[in-house]
Amino acid sequence: SAVISQKPSRDICQRGTSLTIQCQVDSQVTMMFWYRQQPGQSLTLIATANQGSEATYESGFVIDKFPISRPNLTFSTLTVSNMSPEDSSIYLCSVAMTDGDTEAFFGQGTRLTVV
Amino acid sequence: AQKVTQAQTEISVVEKEDVTLDCVYETRDTTYYLFWYKQPPSGELVFLIRRNSFDEQNEISGRYSWNFQKSTSSFNFTITASQVVDSAVYFCALSEARAGGTSYGKLTFGQGTILTVHP
Repeated sequence: SAVISQKPSRDICQRGTSLTIQCQVDSQVTMMFWYRQQPGQSLTLIATANQGSEATYESGFVIDKFPISRPNLTFSTLTVSNMSPEDSSIYLCSVAMTDGDTEAFFGQGTRLTVV
Repeated sequence: AQKVTQAQTEISVVEKEDVTLDCVYETRDTTYYLFWYKQPPSGELVFLIRRNSFDEQNEISGRYSWNFQKSTSSFNFTITASQVVDSAVYFCALSEARAGGTSYGKLTFGQGTILTVHP
């Protein structure tokens, strides 16, 4: 199993600013993912954080808006850039183990409000 | 493309009633995983179950049970004798199970079902 620590747990930010969310895992994992959950909505995959290379973004998400870093196998960051009220969401980090028995683990999420 | 449909947007029951949450999925993958998560008002996702597509056995865990029917592409979740603490949003999700596959580890979520259990 994996324990994921996500920081901050919540934040209120001014429009036009940027926020960086951190995701720390207690063990090395191959795959890390970032999801967004807009108010009252389901979870949508933003991107796959690739260690040592650029993240792979899903349709509708771009690197300029959501830059992602993954410097090693236990850590990743997601930055929400030039925020607007529409970016108010819960952002969740997820990891998947590749030991032949996939289970997707989630961090506790970051509740972002943009004012 | 993968798709998960939870047709029930909201369900309201009285405590001690049984309630079933429906989940129907679509996938072209030959092997896949199905998940259920609970999301209380605090926002974190609580893992409930993962089912491999090869394993069609139903599962019971306390008051929770799951009915997986591959023939109808359904993975329904039943809470027996519901309690107020069961009030939450419940998500069904699907992912590819083939290690190395392009969608491995990525979850496609349904829209969620809001369950409210009244005392």
